[in-house]
Amino acid sequence: EVQLVESGGDLVQPGGSLRLSCAASGFAFTRYAMSWVRQAPGKGLEWVSAISANSGNTYYADFVKGRFTISRDNSKSTLYLQMNSLRAEDTAVYFCAKDDEYGTMVRGLFDNWGQGTLVTVSS
Amino acid sequence: DIVMTQSPDSLAVSLGERATINCKSGRSLFYSSTNKNYLAWYQQKPGQPPKLLIYWASTREFGVPDRFSGSGSETDFTLTISSLQAEDVAVYYCQQYYSTPPWTFGQGTKVEIK
Repeated sequence: EVQLVESGGDLVQPGGSLRLSCAASGFAFTRYAMSWVRQAPGKGLEWVSAISANSGNTYYADFVKGRFTISRDNSKSTLYLQMNSLRAEDTAVYFCAKDDEYGTMVRGLFDNWGQGTLVTVSS
Repeated sequence: DIVMTQSPDSLAVSLGERATINCKSGRSLFYSSTNKNYLAWYQQKPGQPPKLLIYWASTREFGVPDRFSGSGSETDFTLTISSLQAEDVAVYYCQQYYSTPPWTFGQGTKVEIK
């Protein structure tokens, strides 16, 4: 059974930093692309960032480009999101999502999701 | 970015009746080289993460009840719940995964029991 468990969410001041983690199990993590998708309170889903299986390709939404960095440690089956220069509008539940594409590509079709971790940016 | 627009924003349907959700894309999601539409549907129940229901516009994910069906092509797509059950109360999102990111979602449609 695929399991994705996010952690690292917290209350942080504007301009601060946070690193989210997503521990994966139940599938060959090293073979699949992964993404972060967020959901502001009471709002819809918003794709944030993606990384290919071998970390060779990374992608970012314009609203986080230059502030967030996605990475992965395949030896630990863990996905990360380093979030810097946080803003109030980054407040959201952050989900990690498994892409159904394997290899060096990304597809953007999310067949498994974690429960999410809440990031609150406020003074 | 490809804009995805769902309609209606919410709908209330009686148990056992049909629910229909529409999704319109700002550009064609049909890739002629693969003969596929790059459109997915997700269900999100309160307090839960989204769950993949339909991909390639009309292919049901494993384990999804056959009362859920997807149709459409290019820019216009539909999710149909043929006979609404109590456990189908949720918000439904369409999402395009055409080409390289950014991938975008519709704003969501809330389905309730009348």
